[in-house]
Amino acid sequence: GAVVSQHPSWVICKSGTSVKIECRSLDFQATTMFWYRQFPKQSLMLMATSNEGSKATYEQGVEKDKFLINHASLTLSTLTVTSAHPEDSSFYICSAPVGQPGRTDYEQYFGPGTRLTVT
Amino acid sequence: AQSVTQLGSHVSVSEGALVLLRCNYSSSVPPYLFWYVQYPNQGLQLLLKYTSAATLVKGINGFEAEFKKSETSFHLTKPSAHMSDAAEYFCAVSLNRDDKIIFGKGTRLHILP
Repeated sequence: GAVVSQHPSWVICKSGTSVKIECRSLDFQATTMFWYRQFPKQSLMLMATSNEGSKATYEQGVEKDKFLINHASLTLSTLTVTSAHPEDSSFYICSAPVGQPGRTDYEQYFGPGTRLTVT
Repeated sequence: AQSVTQLGSHVSVSEGALVLLRCNYSSSVPPYLFWYVQYPNQGLQLLLKYTSAATLVKGINGFEAEFKKSETSFHLTKPSAHMSDAAEYFCAVSLNRDDKIIFGKGTRLHILP
């Protein structure tokens, strides 16, 4: 099946600094990617939809100036957490779809996640 | 808006016993439904999906789920639990023409020896 990678797998940063997380589709192209965050022992919450060559679409309540998303190529989306604070500590997961929505071959593939700890 | 509700944040079953994880959905149009499994500190792996074909869907690792429109349910079952099944399970929904996936809160499955 398709593979989605994330880098780094974990990162520790100091409060007030920015950190960038990469999401790559390794063997397929993805015009759309999704970013989720997951707090400990909780579900995944969709943060935003990353669109190649255009602006990301953010879910209600997600600060777009704090969580900068860039989808510069068909295989790479980045999430930058700006001026990170301890409450931003979380597990960030990206996904990329293969196939067309509405078809039986449609499936989303998830990256392994990035654990961010802000001290 | 679509949503899913998973009944029971924790479920414990004995090894070899039936596994039943409950999921009910809410959607204004026929939904796509999914079950994912997550092992500690890992991403999600698709177990199975319902895409308006057969209502009984078979997935990996011996899991299956049945789509029941009248009950708006998509419960996950496995006839005989194995220790390796211990993980977090998420039910999820998306619309046919919208590829955003909305997740339930998850159910942690514990397998008792």
